Amino acid sequence: DSGVTQTPKHLITATGQRVTLRCSPRSGDLSVYWYQQSLDQGLQFLIQYYNGEERAKGNILERFSAQQFPDLHSELNLSSLELGDSALYFCASTPTGLAGEETQYFGPGTRLLVL
Amino acid sequence: DQQVKQNSPSLSVQEGRISILNCDYTNSMFDYFLWYKKYPAEGPTFLISISSIKDKNEDGRFTVFLNKSAKHLSLHIVPSQPGDSAVYFCAASAGYGGSQGNLIFGKGTKLSVKP
Repeated sequence: DSGVTQTPKHLITATGQRVTLRCSPRSGDLSVYWYQQSLDQGLQFLIQYYNGEERAKGNILERFSAQQFPDLHSELNLSSLELGDSALYFCASTPTGLAGEETQYFGPGTRLLVL
Repeated sequence: DQQVKQNSPSLSVQEGRISILNCDYTNSMFDYFLWYKKYPAEGPTFLISISSIKDKNEDGRFTVFLNKSAKHLSLHIVPSQPGDSAVYFCAASAGYGGSQGNLIFGKGTKLSVKP
């Protein structure tokens, strides 16, 4: 158990809909990362937050947005869903978010299926 | 353009023998490298890392080698055990100590260790 929790574990929805994925980081971790893993692909970095502020952005679509709340949990909002958005979405956390100095601990992921 | 490449989608090894997983990268700014292991229905689990100032790091049965001139790293598992059967991801980051700690992942290699 990494200490990072993600809900829900599975999500099935229809095209055009909007969903919210939730992540709670490890106790004491201030930085949260979101990654997307599509079929047979590696994990693609989406966005990083540190203590409520956006720190880095990857290949995140404009239909997607995220935020980190004062209690440090984070939510990833996916809207106008398309079939191609079906994927595993992982959250990871670290204490400070600095490159190379910390191990990223990953949650179990949310499996999203868009029909 | 893939910056981190794992060219072997799968590898099969006999129990007790050595497993060698390979990873190539193209971005010369990468200065920290990690290996993660992933079981089905779980998030990636950190295995071992190496910074670009080293060429080898060892942790028990796991050793990572880095060849900066060839932009190549490898993970050696000796001896391999059936419980090592999983997907292994190579990951890299740039700007050691900087504020953006996101990782760039390869597509993974599925290791099967046969009894």
